[in-house]
Amino acid sequence: DQQVKQNSPSLSVQEGRISILNCDYTNSMFDYFLWYKKYPAEGPTFLISISSIKDKNEDGRFTVFLNKSAKHLSLHIVPSQPGDSAVYFCAAIWGRAGSARQLTFGSGTQLTVLP
Amino acid sequence: GAVVSQHPSWVICKSGTSVKIECRSLDFQATTMFWYRQFPKQSLMLMATSNEGSKATYEQGVEKDKFLINHASLTLSTLTVTSAHPEDSSFYICSAREPGQGNQPQHFGDGTRLSIL
Repeated sequence: DQQVKQNSPSLSVQEGRISILNCDYTNSMFDYFLWYKKYPAEGPTFLISISSIKDKNEDGRFTVFLNKSAKHLSLHIVPSQPGDSAVYFCAAIWGRAGSARQLTFGSGTQLTVLP
Repeated sequence: GAVVSQHPSWVICKSGTSVKIECRSLDFQATTMFWYRQFPKQSLMLMATSNEGSKATYEQGVEKDKFLINHASLTLSTLTVTSAHPEDSSFYICSAREPGQGNQPQHFGDGTRLSIL
């Protein structure tokens, strides 16, 4: 039972345009969401996060939007650059503070930014 | 930024061999580290949570006698795949979280590609 879903395995975008990566979740107990970026043969790198009490968080070219009622979040990258080409994982956390709050990952979306 | 080092990056060995993978937090102390496994084109699946000074917590379906975890210090956790078989071939990644309330991002190692012949 996949609690975090990324339904698009791949996405191609032209350089300079906006990339929108989507993520859906089923567990209403999730209270914190993160996006990670992964290059081949490397571990994931943290990109941006959002708490469930917010609906938007922005960091430079990256913005994450959260729609709790729809159990949906998205990552917007604008403008997209060729160096953004990577696999992007959506992840979610739940659990009481102070415990080992674990990450549940989606299956990833391969973003390709075309020059 | 925080760095997690994982070693080795690639292992090829014969069936029946035991393989040890190390995960180190280089510039912070990690009371909790996590071990993941990733199959091709699939998500990272949490195998176990490694707790410094105590037993690891394994996810359902993960054999604790097969995947031995030791977290002997605040900067080192090891995963030993015992008597490895071809079906154990996978990409194993560790992560460590900086001390805090639980929302701090996990920092990942670069992973270990394990190939069992």
